[in-house]
Amino acid sequence: DADVTQTPRNRITKTGKRIMLECSQTKGHDRMYWYRQDPGLGLRLIYYSFDVKDINKGEISDGYSVSRQAQAKFSLSLESAIPNQTALYFCATSDSSDRGVGETQYFGPGTRLLVL
Amino acid sequence: GESVGLHLPTLSVQEGDNSIINCAYSNSASDYFIWYKQESGKGPQFIIDIRSNMDKRQGQRVTVLLNKTVKHLSLQIAATQPGDSAVYFCAGCYSSYKLIFGSGTRLLVRP
Repeated sequence: DADVTQTPRNRITKTGKRIMLECSQTKGHDRMYWYRQDPGLGLRLIYYSFDVKDINKGEISDGYSVSRQAQAKFSLSLESAIPNQTALYFCATSDSSDRGVGETQYFGPGTRLLVL
Repeated sequence: GESVGLHLPTLSVQEGDNSIINCAYSNSASDYFIWYKQESGKGPQFIIDIRSNMDKRQGQRVTVLLNKTVKHLSLQIAATQPGDSAVYFCAGCYSSYKLIFGSGTRLLVRP
């Protein structure tokens, strides 16, 4: 979905380095999420934020931190990258006032991260 | 805990045939279920969803069926096209925002 953008799209880094993945959205949604996808597996939730002042740990938050600088921006940091953090990372957004069947999450294009 | 799984890792169908992708879940507390399509190099794309108090929901060429008795849902794609080739994920939504994803089924469409 072009309304959710992620930078960079690809990144190669070395063990021990600090890196930041950025997510921006123009959908005006209040809720944002970071997921990780490993080969052959579904997505797993790392962190989520319901508004600028709200940060919550997901299923696999160890080794990661996040920052919600503004409603439209949500960044994910790896303070000291390790090889098993090699994965595909997705940002998603949702609107808490969504009155459809459920609160649909819309995903960005992903960032492919390789930690050597 | 919650888990959502898929019966088959790969499904191969002839172009023009109908496709049925299945998914099982373990926790009955889900508010609703969603099917996502993921093409190579892209993020998951919303296809269709269904609330837990519904049995069936139809979209354009797609139908989702929910059987709460056996904790099973399926995605049916009518007249499958080459552009339908992708990995399909089911996800259960708990507490209005928490998505639990299955591991995915790869749909291959034979010409």
